[in-house]
Amino acid sequence: QTVVTQEPSLTVSPGGTVTLTCASSTGAVTSGYYPNWFQQKPGQAPRTLIYSTTNKHSWTPARFSGSLLGGKAALTVSGVQPEDEADYYCLLYYGGARLWVFGGGTKLTVL
Amino acid sequence: EEQLVESGGGLVQPGGSLRLSCAASGFTVSSNYMSWVRQAPGEGLEWVSIIYSGGSTYYADSVKGRFTISRDNSKNTLYLQMNSLRPADTAMYYCARGGARPGDILLWGQGTLVTVSS
Repeated sequence: QTVVTQEPSLTVSPGGTVTLTCASSTGAVTSGYYPNWFQQKPGQAPRTLIYSTTNKHSWTPARFSGSLLGGKAALTVSGVQPEDEADYYCLLYYGGARLWVFGGGTKLTVL
Repeated sequence: EEQLVESGGGLVQPGGSLRLSCAASGFTVSSNYMSWVRQAPGEGLEWVSIIYSGGSTYYADSVKGRFTISRDNSKNTLYLQMNSLRPADTAMYYCARGGARPGDILLWGQGTLVTVSS
């Protein structure tokens, strides 16, 4: 069974920088997995922040960026704001198996 | 403005059926990858199914053989027919619009809640 792993929780101070990662049980994550990142606040639907590894949506704040880092997909938030406190999910696409797998999510606390 | 509005959720007994709808506006459903994603209460996101613009469909193992994704081009609407429902299918169901690549999700609906319980 294919598993996508994220940090369960991270804490960052306002104004700080934090990097969330997304790993695949099958090996290194590459751009061919089209990593996506989503933000979800309590009681709300998810919202797309990053797609195809690095692409930002029209509403994605500039402080959010996507990349590949050490064999994982990564979401970096530079200059964290209190409103960034939320759950963050990554999504990987396994083309050969026609399978889409979400990570378990990272709860980001701004403290 | 592009928008997705789900409907059709509700309370159903185990073994029952339900059909979810997702009405799209601002873009054409048949020209995009369209997916269903669910989220059980207090849990993470789980991909359920996708339909390609060409009509190919794919399913998570957990729903294969029980759920069917489809679309009505004349109504610009996506559907999810759910049969043989189980308590484990209880979740908020979101429809989502893909991008230029099958791995991308660009837009989410607000969700519709399905509860499977006797």
